[in-house]
Amino acid sequence: DGGITQSPKYLFRKEGQNVTLSCEQNLNHDAMYWYRQDPGQGLRLIYYSQIVNDFQKGDIAEGYSVSREKKESFPLTVTSAQKNPTAFYLCASRGKGQSYNSPLHFGNGTRLTVT
Amino acid sequence: AQTVTQSQPEMSVQEAETVTLSCTYDTSESDYYLFWYKQPPSRQMILVIRQEAYKQQNATENRFSVNFQKAAKSFSLKISDSQLGDAAMYFCAYRSYSGGSNYKLTFGKGTLLTVNP
Repeated sequence: DGGITQSPKYLFRKEGQNVTLSCEQNLNHDAMYWYRQDPGQGLRLIYYSQIVNDFQKGDIAEGYSVSREKKESFPLTVTSAQKNPTAFYLCASRGKGQSYNSPLHFGNGTRLTVT
Repeated sequence: AQTVTQSQPEMSVQEAETVTLSCTYDTSESDYYLFWYKQPPSRQMILVIRQEAYKQQNATENRFSVNFQKAAKSFSLKISDSQLGDAAMYFCAYRSYSGGSNYKLTFGKGTLLTVNP
């Protein structure tokens, strides 16, 4: 079955360490997105990529970096510069040519805890 | 920039009853799209219903329907015959029509719905 896989489900890191969250999709979607979810804050867009080798900053990109070397993969690195990295991270994708009202497909998320 | 406001952090409903979740948004655009997403305890985001702003008819999906009031910039979700499986966090989301493939969703902060047996 097609879908979006985020791994791991739970991730623990020490403060000051960079950490990379994985997001893989087999939906043949062109566009991929990273959202951060905090309690009481809803979802906020970190980065998005519409095609391979291209990506744009979202609303809260500071302290994060991404790459898009393959269509299927859009890893997110949480750097030590991110002041409050503990959060739930959701990856999403959308196919090219889909109608404007078509929804995003979401992964199951990664819960990152930094201590 | 667009903003989405969900004024009810928590709501509860008795099983089989009806509940309405509120959502308002701020935009200067005339064409846009609105969505309701559900996030159950598994944390998987699931699309519940969507509405195009240019359509006057309110969207309906089985027990879920919306009351879209464009002039008031209001987009409420009504859940009829509530079931235990409807218990979840519900997010209202806005997407601009302009921007082409820059598919950026702006989310509200969510409403946590509890369904009581």
